[in-house]
Amino acid sequence: GAVVSQHPSRVICKSGTSVKIECRSLDFQATTMFWYRQFPKQSLMLMATSNEGSKATYEQGVEKDKFLINHASLTLSTLTVTSAHPEDSSFYICSARGTENLAGGLSTDTQYFGPGTRLTVL
Amino acid sequence: QKEVEQDPGPLSVPEGAIVSLNCTYSNSAFQYFMWYRQYSRKGPELLMYTYSSGNKEDGRFTAQVDKSSKYISLFIRDSQPSDSATYLCAFFSGGYNKLIFGAGTRLAVHP
Repeated sequence: GAVVSQHPSRVICKSGTSVKIECRSLDFQATTMFWYRQFPKQSLMLMATSNEGSKATYEQGVEKDKFLINHASLTLSTLTVTSAHPEDSSFYICSARGTENLAGGLSTDTQYFGPGTRLTVL
Repeated sequence: QKEVEQDPGPLSVPEGAIVSLNCTYSNSAFQYFMWYRQYSRKGPELLMYTYSSGNKEDGRFTAQVDKSSKYISLFIRDSQPSDSATYLCAFFSGGYNKLIFGAGTRLAVHP
């Protein structure tokens, strides 16, 4: 499958600072990337959909001014957590839309996930 | 009613057991059915992908879809300790621009 990287893998910061997380599709171009948050022992929660060259679409309840998303190229999307607070501590995962080849010459969309970034806000 | 129901477990089995993981869904517009595996503190990894009713086999893994009952399953044969992870079912339809995930089932395979 396709490879998606995230950087950094782990970050610890003080309350009130901003943190930027990068998501890159390494071997394919992704017009759409997704940002998720995951709390311990819980499932993925979609935060926003990021489309290259346009504004991100945020899910209900996600503050767009707090979680800034930029998708400046077909291989890079960034999530900036502004003025981070301890309650923002979580596991942030990105995914990139790609194509999965099925049997019989068919292909369809799927998502390939990055390894995640663990954010701890002190 | 939730769109996707998945028992969070945990499910604990001995090595070598056959594991059955299940999800039910309510949206008949779902066209593609996936299983992701997520190890602790890692991103999800696409494990199986299917788009029709029936069975799809890949090594020790079999994905089963029953569209009439809106029920999907993942079977793991000869389970290994390395299979210990959280398994998430996921669904996609043309009407959505995103995957819909189940809550995930935590599986522990003990030697």
